[in-house]
Amino acid sequence: DQQVKQNSPSLSVQEGRISILNCDYTNSMFDYFLWYKKYPAEGPTFLISISSIKDKNEDGRFTVFLNKSAKHLSLHIVPSQPGDSAVYFCAASIRTYKYIFGTGTRLKVLA
Amino acid sequence: EAQVTQNPRYLITVTGKKLTVTCSQNMNHEYMSWYRQDPGLGLRQIYYSMNVEVTDKGDVPEGYKVSRKEKRNFPLILESPSPNQTSLYFCASSLRDGDLYGYTFGSGTRLTVV
Repeated sequence: DQQVKQNSPSLSVQEGRISILNCDYTNSMFDYFLWYKKYPAEGPTFLISISSIKDKNEDGRFTVFLNKSAKHLSLHIVPSQPGDSAVYFCAASIRTYKYIFGTGTRLKVLA
Repeated sequence: EAQVTQNPRYLITVTGKKLTVTCSQNMNHEYMSWYRQDPGLGLRQIYYSMNVEVTDKGDVPEGYKVSRKEKRNFPLILESPSPNQTSLYFCASSLRDGDLYGYTFGSGTRLTVV
């Protein structure tokens, strides 16, 4: 039973355009969410987070949106750059304990 | 530099030959965990440890063992590896289980069991 799902295994976007990565979850108790970025031959690294008391969090080119009623979060990257090409994982937790990871989306930004 | 170090990075072994993947962190983190990454399945937790001598099963513990005799080290042991354990393995740590920034991950160990 996959509690955190990323239904798009891959996404290609032109450089300079917006990348939108989506994540759905089933457990309404989840209240804290993270996005990780993973380059080949490296471990995942923390990118951005959001708490359920917010519906948006921004950090430079990265913005995460949370829609609690739909149990959906998305990561927007604007503008997309070739260096953003990586696998992105979303992760969900209850009060930051025991993160459950999604299946990942491979983003390719085309120059 | 604060980091999680895994060794080896790549390993090819034969079915049934016991192996250990080492993991060490230099951040004095209490919490450590092992994950495996498989296509279409994402990151799945194998075992975790809340502190020295405290370990517990994650979501996919079958075929694996762990130990936590020292705070910094958390080795993953495959007593009798099988081909279905061919995967990419990550060790992770955090100050405690419950961290605003999630986990710090190692660079991964790609294991192939033939």
